[in-house]
Amino acid sequence: GAVVSQHPSWVICKSGTSVKIECRSLDFQATTMFWYRQFPKQSLMLMATSNEGSKATYEQGVEKDKFLINHASLTLSTLTVTSAHPEDSSFYICSARPGGGQPQHFGDGTRLSIL
Amino acid sequence: DQQVKQNSPSLSVQEGRISILNCDYTNSMFDYFLWYKKYPAEGPTFLISISSIKDKNEDGRFTVFLNKSAKHLSLHIVPSQPGDSAVYFCAASSYGGATNKLIFGTGTLLAVQP
Repeated sequence: GAVVSQHPSWVICKSGTSVKIECRSLDFQATTMFWYRQFPKQSLMLMATSNEGSKATYEQGVEKDKFLINHASLTLSTLTVTSAHPEDSSFYICSARPGGGQPQHFGDGTRLSIL
Repeated sequence: DQQVKQNSPSLSVQEGRISILNCDYTNSMFDYFLWYKKYPAEGPTFLISISSIKDKNEDGRFTVFLNKSAKHLSLHIVPSQPGDSAVYFCAASSYGGATNKLIFGTGTLLAVQP
């Protein structure tokens, strides 16, 4: 089955640090990947749609300069949380759609904790 | 504005019985609906989906029902098993199906008691 790999699974860092999260489609190519954010006991909120070879599309209220997305290849999208602060602490999840009518498949998420 | 709502934050069911999870939506442009299962600290796992041209889709123990006039869908799990215990999210998309962005509900925590 389609596999989406996300790395790292857990990050703890100091306030002001920039953190990069990788999302890879392991056995399929994905022209579109999605980045979600989940706060405790809340729903998954779409942050942005990552488009291979072009700019990401951000949802309303998401700061594009804060959350930098790069989709340089058909199997890799990265989310960089720049100058992270404690309020950025959350669970970040990516997804990709294999195509052929298949639904989105999700990575296992990244737990980001900013001290 | 919560376009997809799951009004029951939790549900407890005995093993072997039926679990019914409900989901309501407000956007009439949604034409594709999905259910995902999620364990703590993991990403969601796809369970089953339904297109708006159907009112029922079945896959093994899982059946999804769609009532477009009521803007309501439900997931039936029968028989329920302890391994089904997880958070279940319904999700909806528009303009042609699963290609597009998903709007998630708030989730229902299902606990299946042995």
